[in-house]
Amino acid sequence: DTEVTQTPKHLVMGMTNKKSLKCEQHMGHRAMYWYKQKAKKPPELMFVYSYEKLSINESVPSRFSPECPNSSLLNLHLHALQPEDSALYLCASSPSEGRIGRTGELFFGEGSRLTVL
Amino acid sequence: GENVEQHPSTLSVQEGDSAVIKCTYSDSASNYFPWYKQELGKRPQLIIDIRSNVGEKKDQRIAVTLNKTAKHFSLHITETQPEDSAVYFCAASPRGVGNTGKLIFGQGTTLQVKP
Repeated sequence: DTEVTQTPKHLVMGMTNKKSLKCEQHMGHRAMYWYKQKAKKPPELMFVYSYEKLSINESVPSRFSPECPNSSLLNLHLHALQPEDSALYLCASSPSEGRIGRTGELFFGEGSRLTVL
Repeated sequence: GENVEQHPSTLSVQEGDSAVIKCTYSDSASNYFPWYKQELGKRPQLIIDIRSNVGEKKDQRIAVTLNKTAKHFSLHITETQPEDSAVYFCAASPRGVGNTGKLIFGQGTTLQVKP
């Protein structure tokens, strides 16, 4: 299984709603990521989990809350979002090489397209 | 921090011609340089990557070259086909504590291959 699976594929929410995006991989990867991608722009890193611990938070607003319940799952909890948060949210995973500074291939999921009304 | 510049932003070629996309990076300690292809509405997919201890890597019609001194790397696609049409992103991975797993992407190049 070389897939990163994301659900839901599409999500529409109001600014007062609470929702979650989910990501799952069964490749045994120990690093998982959330990226945000706006139309015609590159992916922007939000969070990195390494061995189920948050290792990088790119100064993301607290209305985005990541969670890594186990080595296969990654969630992104959404609360009180703004219309400008509408974007494609990409989950990715990579094999951890266990050494600081080494990066392996990123396997991306298909993304969750979020619209905030 | 690391900054990656990518050129051109759009590229149109005739089927069968070659396409070259160039990127420069700012952090001389960066050590990993992947290229991703993203078709419309699809996920980014790795097409080729190169590490800082190698100057060139080739995979069929795709090649990447790295010049560490000048801090630039390039993607070369030969014998282009219409299915090569997509957005291509270069990226660099800065080394150092706290940067494990971090990729900085270029702004992307929209490649159009005309039949």
